[in-house]
Amino acid sequence: EAGVAQSPRYKIIEKRQSVAFWCNPISGHATLYWYQQILGQGPKLLIQFQNNGVVDDSQLPKDRFSAERLKGVDSTLKIQPAKLEDSAVYLCASSPNYNEQFFGPGTRLTVL
Amino acid sequence: QKEVEQNSGPLSVPEGAIASLNCTYSDRGSQSFFWYRQYSGKSPELIMFIYSNGDKEDGRFTAQLNKASQYVSLLIRDSQPSDSATYLCAVRPNAGNNRKLIWGLGTSLAVNP
Repeated sequence: EAGVAQSPRYKIIEKRQSVAFWCNPISGHATLYWYQQILGQGPKLLIQFQNNGVVDDSQLPKDRFSAERLKGVDSTLKIQPAKLEDSAVYLCASSPNYNEQFFGPGTRLTVL
Repeated sequence: QKEVEQNSGPLSVPEGAIASLNCTYSDRGSQSFFWYRQYSGKSPELIMFIYSNGDKEDGRFTAQLNKASQYVSLLIRDSQPSDSATYLCAVRPNAGNNRKLIWGLGTSLAVNP
């Protein structure tokens, strides 16, 4: 069974630029999560999708972050414009049952 | 504000010893409890989950849940250098329909050969 795929794996941009991340969850997993993880901290949930609907986006900085999950499969997370404090690893996870969450390899973002 | 707290460590144990990792949570009605392992530069991976009071064993790992005292622990028997990682505790509170997890900051474990 293929795992959660994410791309790119690394991205370096300058502040005020925009960036987009892509996630392909495990086939059949209805729930998809985007997390932000800053070094030395636990994952912070940005947004949770159930199929193509948003379940929770309470911690998503909506003035600069946006996410979509068209057709209930792949998802993209966008940051526009980026700030220095957005430097982090962005993790995508999917779940078949609200219990186990399977994480992708993450995208390490550096904002200069 | 629902919280999950862990000692950041580092916790250092010799190879072959038992490593004990602890986690406390604030929401008394929490239902589900998860332990994830995260190697440096890698993503979290689920080790165990537990729902009921008591112990749950899986190989060298034992999760212990005490809802009255609001803590959950992870014991690693016969610790190996390959167990060196950060261990994240995650809790699913009772309230709310989104079933999102509340994450601790993680405990860093170092197993010394």
